[in-house]
Amino acid sequence: DTGVSQNPRHKITKRGQNVTFRCDPISEHNRLYWYRQTLGQGPEFLTYFQNEAQLEKSRLLSDRFSAERPKGSFSTLEIQRTEQGDSAMYLCASSLLGAGPPLHFGNGTRLTVT
Amino acid sequence: AQSVAQPEDQVNVAEGNPLTVKCTYSVSGNPYLFWYVQYPNRGLQFLLKYITGDNLVKGSYGFEAEFNKSQTSFHLKKPSALVSDSALYFCAVRDERDNYGQNFVFGPGTRLSVLP
Repeated sequence: DTGVSQNPRHKITKRGQNVTFRCDPISEHNRLYWYRQTLGQGPEFLTYFQNEAQLEKSRLLSDRFSAERPKGSFSTLEIQRTEQGDSAMYLCASSLLGAGPPLHFGNGTRLTVT
Repeated sequence: AQSVAQPEDQVNVAEGNPLTVKCTYSVSGNPYLFWYVQYPNRGLQFLLKYITGDNLVKGSYGFEAEFNKSQTSFHLKKPSALVSDSALYFCAVRDERDNYGQNFVFGPGTRLSVLP
């Protein structure tokens, strides 16, 4: 168990550019989550996969955001036409099935849009 | 829908003293409750959880939490605080019937400062 891995750790981009983040979950975990966290706030749910299927997506999530988990292993989160309001920490988490298992988080990707 | 409140933005405690970080929750069914800690520029690290059974649960780094159903609370405690405990603490809740991701709800966080 090497933990959840996220790349890159930091990303600085100009407004209007597209960015893509990668998450490698714990290998035996079926579930993968993306959260967004702004300074001083708790994580805000973005989307969730069970294996390769994207089962839930936050109603707050703009159409500029898209996520994939093509083979049920790693996942990517893409933000198109970035805006300054997209600046945040993007956290990935994984877990086993069920309501009881905790989420295991990666160290996040910090996005700064200038 | 679930919700979590952490009534204190900031808790200050002297090293060696006991600490408490408060959490109250709202959920339709039976709650599954979690505490996480976050250090600067890091992800959230799982500390402990309550699913069922004993109301006092023990977790990592000497932390424990007490589930109180009548008060809908799940306060985090430690008998003797360390300077290295200084961090951001998040309480989270989900309904036991929930098998989907968006219903894992986090509180706004409490910043703990342990003073030497």
